[in-house]
Amino acid sequence: DAKTTQPPSMDCAEGRAANLPCNHSTISGNEYVYWYRQIHSQGPQYIIHGLKNNETNEMASLIITEDRKSSTLILPHATLRDTAVYYCIVRVATVRDDKIIFGKGTRLHILP
Amino acid sequence: DAGVIQSPRHEVTEMGQEVTLRCKPISGHDYLFWYRQTMMRGLELLIYFNNNVPIDDSGMPEDRFSAKMPNASFSTLKIQPSEPRDSAVYFCASTATSNYYHVGFGELFFGEGSRLTVL
Repeated sequence: DAKTTQPPSMDCAEGRAANLPCNHSTISGNEYVYWYRQIHSQGPQYIIHGLKNNETNEMASLIITEDRKSSTLILPHATLRDTAVYYCIVRVATVRDDKIIFGKGTRLHILP
Repeated sequence: DAGVIQSPRHEVTEMGQEVTLRCKPISGHDYLFWYRQTMMRGLELLIYFNNNVPIDDSGMPEDRFSAKMPNASFSTLKIQPSEPRDSAVYFCASTATSNYYHVGFGELFFGEGSRLTVL
């Protein structure tokens, strides 16, 4: 079972920052938070991941709370092409059990 | 880099027929994953390989499904016999061991998927 909770859908105006929340209250100390997105009919695409510190790359920023029980993915200037399903994933990472399990995700609509 | 290549992109077959889906991972990647996506169940991990060896096949739905990886550049997912409930998009993904973050692998690179329709 997925170990995260996300809102099923969100809207965001084009040009504004899109803030996608994720709850992972049962996360353990060595588990990472990953974000992927899936644009219609395409394969999922990796966005970013982090352990405890905030992370930023060319696509997005990831803010993880100090207690690590929740995180927020930020798309700083959303465009219509950011319309997609966004998946927040807590990675089960033992030596022989490295899996990435997708939940239901958040369907983000960017409004013109 | 060509990315993960899957074939066929679309397959329509009749119930009872054998279906073979193919995947070519990114060169140099040592992990390969097969996922299935349906509206009802979302994205499900079926099986994954490391260095051509199946590591976890607990997601394979039943004995009608089998997956092989004869070498580092090729994998197949076979369904025999196929049933209408197998209709889905099947994704293959690959990745390489991440030396920086943790034991295990880094980000997954997905193919475009194979859309299977079983009539």
